[in-house]
Amino acid sequence: TQLLEQSPQFLSIQEGENLTVYCNSSSVFSSLQWYRQEPGEGPVLLVTVVTGGEVKKLKRLTFQFGDARKDSSLHITAAQPGDTGLYLCAGPAGTASKLTFGTGTRLQVTL
Amino acid sequence: DVKVTQSSRYLVKRTGEKVFLECVQDMDHENMFWYRQDPGLGLRLIYFSYDVKMKEKGDIPEGYSVSREKKERFSLILESASTNQTSMYLCASTIIRGNTEAFFGQGTRLTVV
Repeated sequence: TQLLEQSPQFLSIQEGENLTVYCNSSSVFSSLQWYRQEPGEGPVLLVTVVTGGEVKKLKRLTFQFGDARKDSSLHITAAQPGDTGLYLCAGPAGTASKLTFGTGTRLQVTL
Repeated sequence: DVKVTQSSRYLVKRTGEKVFLECVQDMDHENMFWYRQDPGLGLRLIYFSYDVKMKEKGDIPEGYSVSREKKERFSLILESASTNQTSMYLCASTIIRGNTEAFFGQGTRLTVV
């Protein structure tokens, strides 16, 4: 099993602060995805990174794929309460698009 | 709009009962997955299916089985429910192989008493 470890597990910050969430593995992934899950809902895809060193931006969110394709980070600038949720990284494991998920980072942004 | 629908949002069952969780997708996706979600453990794959009547074990298949008789429907079966199977269960689907987006249902929170 290709394990994806995320850190930190919990993060509570105030509106306007910046933060970074990490997703690490000892295995190489062909791509990594980031999902956000809000309470009572299933995860929703935010982004997919496929090239080592790739950086993608989604408004105030910046995603980076490590050069060796073993890790990824998510940086949020000027966090807002609407960013509150569970952030999950995921990557393909084995065949048939089997997706393995990270342990998750629960983010709470308060006013 | 793409949709994955799970039959129940909340379910309470007794220890030893046989439990069926149903999932239907309307996107003609080949792959379907069942995950369970527990705090601090992320999503753990129970079973997945890449075609009708085809299935593969995930990371935690013990105590579970699955059925996929039609492309759009993937059922998770708890043969004899136990309290340690109390959890959030999430169904997902993706198109065939590749770096594709997983679409999730809203989840079923199962409590076994």
